[in-house]
Amino acid sequence: QQQVKQSPQSLIVQKGGISIINCAYENTAFDYFPWYQQFPGKGPALLIAIRPDVSEKKEGRFTISFNKSAKQFSLHIMDSQPGDSATYFCAASKGSGAGSYQLTFGKGTKLSVIP
Amino acid sequence: NAGVTQTPKFRVLKTGQSMTLLCAQDMNHEYMYWYRQDPGMGLRLIHYSVGEGTTAKGEVPDGYNVSRLKKQNFLLGLESAAPSQTSVYFCASRTGARAFFGQGTRLTVV
Repeated sequence: QQQVKQSPQSLIVQKGGISIINCAYENTAFDYFPWYQQFPGKGPALLIAIRPDVSEKKEGRFTISFNKSAKQFSLHIMDSQPGDSATYFCAASKGSGAGSYQLTFGKGTKLSVIP
Repeated sequence: NAGVTQTPKFRVLKTGQSMTLLCAQDMNHEYMYWYRQDPGMGLRLIHYSVGEGTTAKGEVPDGYNVSRLKKQNFLLGLESAAPSQTSVYFCASRTGARAFFGQGTRLTVV
């Protein structure tokens, strides 16, 4: 059972454009939703995260939008740059109790930003 | 400050051989994790530990064993490697909500 579904698998965006990656989750006990960025040959690194008490969180050019009723969240990268080319993973976890912060990952989106 | 260090970075094994992957963290984190990453599959949790001397199974534990004898180290063992275990393995440690990942170990089983 895939608890976090991520789309698209790959994305090509022109420099300066907006990159949008979507995720949907099934487990209503999830209350922590991070996005990880992974460059080739490197481990994933935390990019930005949100909790369900807010509908949007922005850090620089990166924004998470969260829709609790639809059980969906998305990553928006504004003014996309070639240096943003990487694989992005959404994830979800419970924030407390047994298994807290045990991340369930989406399958990843490979983003290519072309000049 | 090294963070999370994985050893080795690359390894080729023959089917049936055994090996141990070492993960070391210098951040005094209680929680540690082993994931495997396969193309199109994301990261899947193999085993995890909530503290020294404890281990628990994750989503895909079969064929692997782990040990956490010291807080800073988390070992992943393959007793009899199979081609299906060809993958990139990532170790992570966690403080609060934030997980820190190592650079990965690329394992090929032939």
